[in-house]
Order: sequence, then structure tokens, then C-alpha cells
Amino acid sequence: KQEVTQIPAALSVPEGENLVLNCSFTDSAIYNLQWFRQDPGKGLTSLLLIQSSQREQTSGRLNASLDKSSGRSTLYIAASQPGDSATYLCAVKESSSFQKLVFGTGTRLLVSP
Amino acid sequence: DTEVTQTPKHLVMGMTNKKSLKCEQHMGHRAMYWYKQKAKKPPELMFVYSYEKLSINESVPSRFSPECPNSSLLNLHLHALQPEDSALYLCASSPTPDRGNIQYFGAGTRLSVL
Repeated sequence: KQEVTQIPAALSVPEGENLVLNCSFTDSAIYNLQWFRQDPGKGLTSLLLIQSSQREQTSGRLNASLDKSSGRSTLYIAASQPGDSATYLCAVKESSSFQKLVFGTGTRLLVSP
Repeated sequence: DTEVTQTPKHLVMGMTNKKSLKCEQHMGHRAMYWYKQKAKKPPELMFVYSYEKLSINESVPSRFSPECPNSSLLNLHLHALQPEDSALYLCASSPTPDRGNIQYFGAGTRLSVL
């Protein structure tokens, strides 16, 4: 059974810092990996999608990398801002179950002014 | 327009009540999903509809009954729920059920069962 873990569970940084969020998964047979942002009590906003054949994807200040063989992905946030404060979730779509997303445990990020 | 709309935003119900959650999208998507998210936990898949037909039921108790009356609308009918069913219920859609598609999520319905 696929298990997705995110470290750290919570992170507090001052504004302007560059930071890295980690995601690891136990079964490397994935089709793609997606990073989401969730504000408190709200739905999920898709940030980046990396196909299994890709190594990284970039959108603005966000950069996500994928090392499928080692079961890891990282989300790099450059020059963090208070508006980046949210919970960040990674989710994998397994090759064997093409409709199902398996979510990670999440990282709660707080960026202080 | 990448909007998935869920109503109501909040719902409080007793264990003997019958209520329904509604999810709507007008993006022409043909796959729709229900997820359940408990506090401080990741979302967990409940149901998937592909081309208006139920394709995945993740062993969800029968007190949750999904319905997809047309390609734009997804309902979740609730009956005889338990307090432990209190959670944020998220709806999502994707263009097709294919693996490569991004799922777009609604803002969720926060359900409290008393």
C-alpha cells in the first residue's frame, strides 16, 4: 500500500527565506506527482504537476523536483512571503490505479512578516 | 473558468437527518470525485465517477450515497451519519479519468454531525 510522508510537519520562517518542503513515497510505481496548497478550512489549489518522466517543474517562485527511483520529491519556495502561509500537500497518482490520488501528511507553513 | 462549486459551505445535522451535498462544474469535465478530510489529516478518496458512472467506491459505508445525475453535477446523499463522519468533504473534477489529468478541487463542505 502506497504511503506518502511529508517532512517537516510544520515550518515557521521569517519573510524572505528560501525553503524546501519534502515528500517521500514508498512505491516508486507512480504516474505523476502533484503539489497542492490548502488554506485553513478551504479546498485545494493545484500548484505543480510533475509527470513520472520529468525531473522538475517550475512556476514563478515555486520549483518542484522528482526523483522517482528514490521515492522523493521536493518543493522549493524562493523568497517566501506571508501570503505563502498555508498547508502544502503532495499527492501521487499510482500507475496501477489511474484515478486515485494518494495524499501526503502535509506541511503547515507559517511565514512571518 | 476552473471552478468547482460546492454547496452548502457548512452543514450541521443530527444523526437521524437526511441531507445532501452538491458539487457543480461547468468545465465539461467527465470525471468527478468525492474526498473526505478529517481535521489535520490528508484528503482520502471516497468515490469516483467516470462519464457519469460510478467507477471507484473506496469501501465507503452505505450511509453515504453518491449520485451523478448529469455530467456537470455530483451529489452526496447523507443518511444516519455518525459524529465521526464530521469532516471537510471535498469535490474535485478532471477533464477525463485519464491519469495525466489534473484534478480541480472545490472549497469543500464542512459537515458537523451532532
